[in-house]
Amino acid sequence: NAGVTQTPKFQVLKTGQSMTLQCAQDMNHEYMSWYRQDPGMGLRLIHYSVGAGITDQGEVPNGYNVSRSTTEDFPLRLLSAAPSQTSVYFCASRPTRRGALTEAFFGQGTRLTVV
Amino acid sequence: KNQVEQSPQSLIILEGKNCTLQCNYTVSPFSNLRWYKQDTGRGPVSLTIMTFSENTKSNGRYTATLDADTKQSSLHITASQLSDSASYICVVSLNTNAGKSTFGDGTTLTVKP
Repeated sequence: NAGVTQTPKFQVLKTGQSMTLQCAQDMNHEYMSWYRQDPGMGLRLIHYSVGAGITDQGEVPNGYNVSRSTTEDFPLRLLSAAPSQTSVYFCASRPTRRGALTEAFFGQGTRLTVV
Repeated sequence: KNQVEQSPQSLIILEGKNCTLQCNYTVSPFSNLRWYKQDTGRGPVSLTIMTFSENTKSNGRYTATLDADTKQSSLHITASQLSDSASYICVVSLNTNAGKSTFGDGTTLTVKP
């Protein structure tokens, strides 16, 4: 199983550029989410989706867009990159089963630098 | 405000020794608490998941405890190995439809030979 696959692993952007971070999972998980991790800080939720066609904002959504057209894919778009968006981005997925705890699986991360 | 506080921030121990990491939270309404291990440059990997009705959960040499009354959890690592060097993250989730989670800042553990 590939699990959760993120691409690219590394990216350097110039201020004002836009780009899309890709996330794909092959486990048929309903719930997918994007986090950013800054040095010395906990992961912070950017956006999440509870299923295809449904997305919602997390803790730090400004400057980011998401869409969920399929169960497998959950891309994160940076609209106009800023140096404050320099971070490591993680995508995660987990199944949602009513009344049951489910394990979350994380991708390997995308290290983004905005100059 | 929902918060998760972990201590210590960092810890250095000798190989073979035991250690305990702490997690205090104010998240409400509480659903579950998870401990993750994050190796440098990798994504977090789940170690344990506990609900309010569970007070201990083991995964090999890792044992997590939960006191839902005092809102405290601990992760005990037995007979540490060099491969245990990593960041350990405590995550508490809300008892809501979306089950939003609050992440602690993590404890960085270094195991030395």
